[in-house]
Amino acid sequence: EAQVTQNPRYLITVTGKKLTVTCSQNMNHEYMSWYRQDPGLGLRQIYYSMNVEVTDKGDVPEGYKVSRKEKRNFPLILESPSPNQTSLYFCASSRLPLAGASPRAYNEQFFGPGTRLTVL
Amino acid sequence: AQSVSQHNHHVILSEAASLELGCNYSYGGTVNLFWYVQYPGQHLQLLLKYFSGDPLVKGIKGFEAEFIKSKFSFNLRKPSVQWSDTAEYFCAVNSNSGYALNFGKGTSLLVTP
Repeated sequence: EAQVTQNPRYLITVTGKKLTVTCSQNMNHEYMSWYRQDPGLGLRQIYYSMNVEVTDKGDVPEGYKVSRKEKRNFPLILESPSPNQTSLYFCASSRLPLAGASPRAYNEQFFGPGTRLTVL
Repeated sequence: AQSVSQHNHHVILSEAASLELGCNYSYGGTVNLFWYVQYPGQHLQLLLKYFSGDPLVKGIKGFEAEFIKSKFSFNLRKPSVQWSDTAEYFCAVNSNSGYALNFGKGTSLLVTP
């Protein structure tokens, strides 16, 4: 089954204790992305990756790191979590258009089940 | 600045009522448009999408949306809602310049029996 998985699904931690949220997809997608969802703010992109070893900041990257050593995995790292990072996190992936495809070519993003993080 | 606006933050309807959720965007140029749904405790699922062609797009579960270029709008509609449509709905826009999805703040829909 094609899917995006995240672990853990729920996490309660304390300020300053490093944590990693894993994301894995089995669809051989090039593009992967992390979002955080907060009430009244919708989803905001944290980081994204166009392919292995290619990552870039989204709209709200402060306090986060990512890595893309393998195509299927895109972990989100919080080196020193703070309470304002309490949120619901979603990982997403999509296929990039083939070289030479129409500039309008775009593929939908598939989302993981979410990770609810609480930082005390 | 580029933005996506959803006019209604909370909507309460009775079963069988008609639904229309507004979405406006402020991007120049070509855009791809999406509506996602998030049922309670679940991840986002794609309801429908518009890339080009017929501006009236039909999605899953009886939903449809109309792209009106002159109004920069992509409103979601359903003629008769069911209790199972209770969820949060997100409009999202991708501009032709990249692959990021920009989401609206969401509309929480509650359908009462």
